[in-house]
Formats: sequence, structure tokens, C-alpha cells
Amino acid sequence: GAVVSQHPSRVICKSGTSVKIECRSLDFQATTMFWYRQFPKQSLMLMATSNEGSKATYEQGVEKDKFLINHASLTLSTLTVTSAHPEDSSFYICSARDQIALSGEQFFGPGTRLTVL
Amino acid sequence: QQQVKQSPQSLIVQKGGISIINCAYENTAFDYFPWYQQFPGKGPALLIAIRPDVSEKKEGRFTISFNKSAKQFSLHIMDSQPGDSATYFCAASYSGGYQKVTFGTGTKLQVIP
Repeated sequence: GAVVSQHPSRVICKSGTSVKIECRSLDFQATTMFWYRQFPKQSLMLMATSNEGSKATYEQGVEKDKFLINHASLTLSTLTVTSAHPEDSSFYICSARDQIALSGEQFFGPGTRLTVL
Repeated sequence: QQQVKQSPQSLIVQKGGISIINCAYENTAFDYFPWYQQFPGKGPALLIAIRPDVSEKKEGRFTISFNKSAKQFSLHIMDSQPGDSATYFCAASYSGGYQKVTFGTGTKLQVIP
């Protein structure tokens, strides 16, 4: 089956620093990737849709200057949390869609736990 | 409307019993309805999905029932096992899943021996 990886799986950083999270589709090409944020005991909230070679589309209320998304290739999208603060601590999950699959199914990564001190 | 409503919030079922989780949506443009299973500290994994042209889909112990007129769909887990204990999310999407997925609020299932 299609596999999506995320790196790192956990990161702890000081307030004010920037953190980069990578999302890779390992065995398929993905023109579209999605970034979600999940707070404890809550559902996944879509942050942005990342399209290869173009600017990401952000959901309402998500600061695009704070959450920088780069989808530079068909297998890699990155999310950079700039000037992170404790309220940015969360579980960040990406998903990717196989561009040639007929089902439209999205495959999710294992998530990245961000803790900002 | 983008909302997908899910109930119950939590569910306790005895081993061997049937777990039932219900969802409702408002936007009739949705045409792809997946269910995801998520274990603590992990990303969600697709369990089963249905499109509105069928009323039921079964895969092993998992069955989705879909009522297009009522805009409701449900997940039935037959012969529930302790290993099924997880959080389950219903979801909805457009264009056969090619568009963004809107998640329900989640149901924490606990299967007790």
C-alpha cells in the first residue's frame, strides 16, 4: 500500500524558533498534499492544501506567514512553523493523494508531535 | 455547509458485540465518505469508504450503511475486539475524494473483554 512518512516524529523547541516538518510520499507521486493539525482529543483540522509547483491554499484563520508550506517535488512537501510559540504545540499530520489512482484516496502520515517550550 | 456531525463521542462495547457510530452531513455535493481509525500518537488510517451510489459496503467485520435521502451514514463493527479500541472518524469529501477531507468530531471506542 501507499506509504507517507513524516520527519521528525517528535520535536521540542524553544519559543521563537522555527521548525520544519517534512512529508514524503514513499512509493507514489502526489501532486496534492494536505496539512492538518490535531489538538488532544480533538478532530483533525485542515490547515492548507499543498500543490506541487504552486502556492499552497490556506484554510480560513490559518496564518500563511506563520505556517510556510513548500511543495517542491511530487514526493515532498514541507511545513515550516515560523517563530513558534507554546500555542503552536500540536500534532501535525500530512496526507497525500496518489495522482494516478482512480479512487482519490488520501494516505496519511504518522504525524509529528510539536512541543514549544 | 462543511460540517460533518458524528455521534456518540465515546462508546464502550463488550468483546464480541456490535459497535455502531453514526454521522450526518449537510452538503449534498459530498460524494466520498471514508472512515478512519486512529490509534494514540498515530496518523489516521483509512478503514473503509463508500460513495453515494451504493447503500451499503462491507469489508470483513466493518460495514458502512449509507442513507442518501437522510444524509446519514454509519459504521458498524461486528464482533468487536479489544484491538479495535481506537478513535474513529467519519469524513466527507468532494470529487471522489480528490478534494480536501472534512472530518467528523471523532468517536473513542473502547472494547472491553
